[in-house]
Amino acid sequence: DTAVSQTPKYLVTQMGNDKSIKCEQNLGHDTMYWYKQDSKKFLKIMFSYNNKELIINETVPNRFSPKSPDKAHLNLHINSLELGDSAVYFCASSHREETQYFGPGTRLLVL
Amino acid sequence: AQKVTQAQTEISVVEKEDVTLDCVYETRDTTYYLFWYKQPPSGELVFLIRRNSFDEQNEISGRYSWNFQKSTSSFNFTITASQVVDSAVYFCALSDPFSGSRLTFGEGTQLTVNP
Repeated sequence: DTAVSQTPKYLVTQMGNDKSIKCEQNLGHDTMYWYKQDSKKFLKIMFSYNNKELIINETVPNRFSPKSPDKAHLNLHINSLELGDSAVYFCASSHREETQYFGPGTRLLVL
Repeated sequence: AQKVTQAQTEISVVEKEDVTLDCVYETRDTTYYLFWYKQPPSGELVFLIRRNSFDEQNEISGRYSWNFQKSTSSFNFTITASQVVDSAVYFCALSDPFSGSRLTFGEGTQLTVNP
């Protein structure tokens, strides 16, 4: 009955690799988001999609590319991983500007 | 630009004490929403409350209460009779419907409740 799910939960990889994180929501929401939480716990928006359309694209390196195949899914692909990409990535969803519900987070460690 | 400030980085209390977590925000918008989220040691982000800018009524939910004051741009959170399970990082956040509903988070307050 998980509302917002992410896979994988943990991701350990080498510098230079390409990886993807998947997010799915079963709440019927029309808007999905990716946030990054750094080592100091600071949370910042990366991207937002509404009905599969990109709404927010913050100042994020173009090595990060979101893809929304349908309203219920928003995936994050990261090319050429760098040490500084190590963080926790949270997916969230909402109905328009209403409350955002978060997934459990994906802990990415780049070695 | 929007900004949320949580000046208290860490707070430590003893069980059963009351504790207030401060949140001050900045926005030029007249329509906006304020939130509190809890992040326990397990790491997930748990929604606690959402308030819109036109509703300044204080809210109480069990041991939790929130005080919203537009005059001082504050949205403070009080836990009454704190418990060890309240230990977590608490985030205050702000969004407006005109910027894609992005959440602007404060830096968070680490609350530790000791037995």
